[in-house]
Amino acid sequence: QSVLTQPPSASGTPGQRVTISCSGSTSNIGSNTVNWYQQLPGTAPKLLMYRNNERPSGVPDRFSGSKSGTSASLAISGLQSEDEGDYYCAAWDDSLNGVLFGGGTKLTVL
Amino acid sequence: EVQLVESGGGLVKPGGSLRLSCAASGFIFSNAWMNWVRQAPGKGLEWVGRIKSKTEGGTADHAAPVKGRFTISRDDPKNTLYLQMNSLKTEDTGVYYCTTDSFGTAADWGQGTLVTVSS
Repeated sequence: QSVLTQPPSASGTPGQRVTISCSGSTSNIGSNTVNWYQQLPGTAPKLLMYRNNERPSGVPDRFSGSKSGTSASLAISGLQSEDEGDYYCAAWDDSLNGVLFGGGTKLTVL
Repeated sequence: EVQLVESGGGLVKPGGSLRLSCAASGFIFSNAWMNWVRQAPGKGLEWVGRIKSKTEGGTADHAAPVKGRFTISRDDPKNTLYLQMNSLKTEDTGVYYCTTDSFGTAADWGQGTLVTVSS
């Protein structure tokens, strides 16, 4: 069972804004930065956001991240059909001395 | 362009061993920290472990579920990362990804190699 908690599913219509939450604790999100990954169907995961709100080169600014206390969230504005897939948050955990991933959120574009 | 190509996956019986390789190119491998991440069929991502660059000690950290059974190592002249997996269990079944470690996280990912542990 993941220590980083994400909703199992999220959905929206094209053009809408959706947010995905990630809840942790003081040993992970509370003391380290949060990263987000996108996994489109049948493909390897891709880094979408690092250090809470930094986008790697090539990631559109429709994607944004934030963190407050022991929670973080990923926002996707101007939702597109090609955004459909699974989204994972991740953070280093000081107690486990390792990386924790959230359980993943399946995003459906209606 | 960063390229990571995993190999060595396959079918193995419980209790068996397997060694995965990850051939890296497009960046200075010897300077890079590297990770292994796995994904069970239909499930989420799970960090397996990481290895630091030799200039920063070259030590490896392994996740609790694999500690004592799996070992991450590297061969910098060959630009290759390894994952030696011993005493395999059915729950080790999944796709294993090799990743670079940049910005303090798994950045670039390979396409993965499938490991199936079954009798």
